[in-house]
Formats: sequence, C-alpha cells, structure tokens
Amino acid sequence: GAVVSQHPSRVICKSGTSVKIECRSLDFQATTMFWYRQFPKQSLMLMATSNEGSKATYEQGVEKDKFLINHASLTLSTLTVTSAHPEDSSFYICSANRGDEKLFFGSGTQLSVL
Amino acid sequence: AQSVTQLDSHVSVSEGTPVLLRCNYSSSYSPSLFWYVQHPNKGLQLLLKYTSAATLVKGINGFEAEFKKSETSFHLTKPSAHMSDAAEYFCVLFNNQFYFGTGTSLTVIP
Repeated sequence: GAVVSQHPSRVICKSGTSVKIECRSLDFQATTMFWYRQFPKQSLMLMATSNEGSKATYEQGVEKDKFLINHASLTLSTLTVTSAHPEDSSFYICSANRGDEKLFFGSGTQLSVL
Repeated sequence: AQSVTQLDSHVSVSEGTPVLLRCNYSSSYSPSLFWYVQHPNKGLQLLLKYTSAATLVKGINGFEAEFKKSETSFHLTKPSAHMSDAAEYFCVLFNNQFYFGTGTSLTVIP
C-alpha cells in the first residue's frame, strides 16, 4: 500500500533555531501534500496545501514566513519552522494525495522547543 | 507492530439510517485511538478518542465508538445518518507516533 514517510519523528531544539521536517511519498507521486498541526486534545489543524512546483497555499492565521514549505519534487515536501519558539511545540503531520483523492498520512513529528 | 485497518474504503447509507464505519487495529501496547472526519477543503476534525477510560466513547454530532480489545476493533457508529455526515473518516492510533487508516468515504443518500 501507499506509504508516506515523515522524518524526523521527534526533534528537540533550542528557541530561535530552525527545524526542517521532511515528508516523502515512497511509492507514488503526490502532486499535492498537506501539512497539519495538532495541539494537545484538539483536532488536526490544516496549515497549508503544498503543490509541486508552485508556492504553498496557507490557511488563514498561519504565518508563511515562519512555516516555510517547499514541494520541490513529486515525492518530497518539506516544512521548515524558522526561529522556533516554545509556542511552536506541537505535533506536525503531513499527508499526500495519491491522485485518486486518497490521502495517506505520515506518522507525525513531535517538535519540542526549549 | 502498530497498524490501523479501515475495512471499507466506501460506505453508502440512506439518510436516517444507521452508520457503521469499521476499524481494526494492531498494537503491542494499550493504544490511544481516535476517529477524525475530514470535509472537503477542511482540516481533520476530532470526532472522539479512546484513552483507556470507558470503552464506549461518545463523540460530537451523535457519533460514538466502542473499544473492543478482544476483537481489536474500534468501530464508529451513529444511529441516524444526516446529509452533513458525508465526508472522509479516518481511524487513527497513537503510540508515540501516529498511525492513520486509509480512510472511509461516507456517502449519505437523501
């Protein structure tokens, strides 16, 4: 079955540093990938939609200069949290659209900013 | 090994009839289990979650799910479907990381 690989699974960083999270579709090409953020005990909030070869579309309230998304190929999208602060600590999850409208999810990245 | 299997990729029900979306899981440890719903162009909304308290979990919009350890199941049910329930539903297991099912598309026929 289709697999989406997300790395790293867990990262701890100092406040002010940047963190890059990778999302790869391993056996299919994903023209569209999505990035979500989860706060404890809450739903998964859609942050942005990433389209290969074009700029990401950010949801209202998401700072595009803080959460940089790059979708350079049909199998890779990256999310970079720039100048991370403790309030950015959260689970970040990616998903990829296989093209038949089926979504496949990564396993998530737990970001802890000290 | 952890995994989640949603047994039906598509379910179609008539409005006002019961809904059953099936989910089986595999986990080496006592898992946390969730059901999320996704409407077109929206994020994933949490319907309900099981975290080792009561085995029958009640969620929003009339949905509930029962954790059955002996059957390794966490099926989602609703007594009476509404048109607004048409969406994609994901069963999710969490144990240090997330394990998503492949989704069940629910169609509600008027």
